[in-house]
Amino acid sequence: SQTIHQWPATLVQPVGSPLSLECTVEGTSNPNLYWYRQAAGRGLQLLFYSVGIGQISSEVPQNLSASRPQDRQFILSSKKLLLSDSGFYLCAWSLGISNQPQHFGDGTRLSIL
Amino acid sequence: GDSVTQMEGPVTLSEEAFLTINCTYTATGYPSLFWYVQYPGEGLQLLLKATKADDKGSNKGFEATYRKETTSFHLEKGSVQVSDSAVYFCALTNSGGGADGLTFGKGTHLIIQP
Repeated sequence: SQTIHQWPATLVQPVGSPLSLECTVEGTSNPNLYWYRQAAGRGLQLLFYSVGIGQISSEVPQNLSASRPQDRQFILSSKKLLLSDSGFYLCAWSLGISNQPQHFGDGTRLSIL
Repeated sequence: GDSVTQMEGPVTLSEEAFLTINCTYTATGYPSLFWYVQYPGEGLQLLLKATKADDKGSNKGFEATYRKETTSFHLEKGSVQVSDSAVYFCALTNSGGGADGLTFGKGTHLIIQP
């Protein structure tokens, strides 16, 4: 069966520091991968998605970036964090065909001080 | 673009009450529809899905029917339990062969009191 791992679970970072969140999927090949952000008391916002290695689509312009160095690895990064980057970050995967459900990791709670 | 509208709550019910959480959508073509549940501090779990008109998704006593004529996908459960307390998200995907993300509603916070 497929599993998705996301780490760290919680992270506290100062403003201006860099960020790296990692997500890996097991048990499937060539999945679609996604990064979402959930701000406190609000819904989910799609940040990035990827259909293959090195292929990244950005939905929202911001100081975050994503990379997919391997088929089942998806990384969310920033060079300099802002206060507004605080939130709950969720990685998800789906099969590489249309209209499939997405399956989510346990999330990373990011607090910027 | 596509959108999902759902009641935000909080919705507070007593144990064993009947639950309805309304969800309506706007989308071109033939989207697939989903309900996700998020327990405190956790990620989202797929609760149920429906991929075409008149399909009924069901899981753990929850049901929702894909109504194309009313563009709705209301979530129902006949008798809720305290353990059902969570945030529920209605979502759709309309990727048409692509890989777009899900379009989510804002979530409904459900509180079940013993």
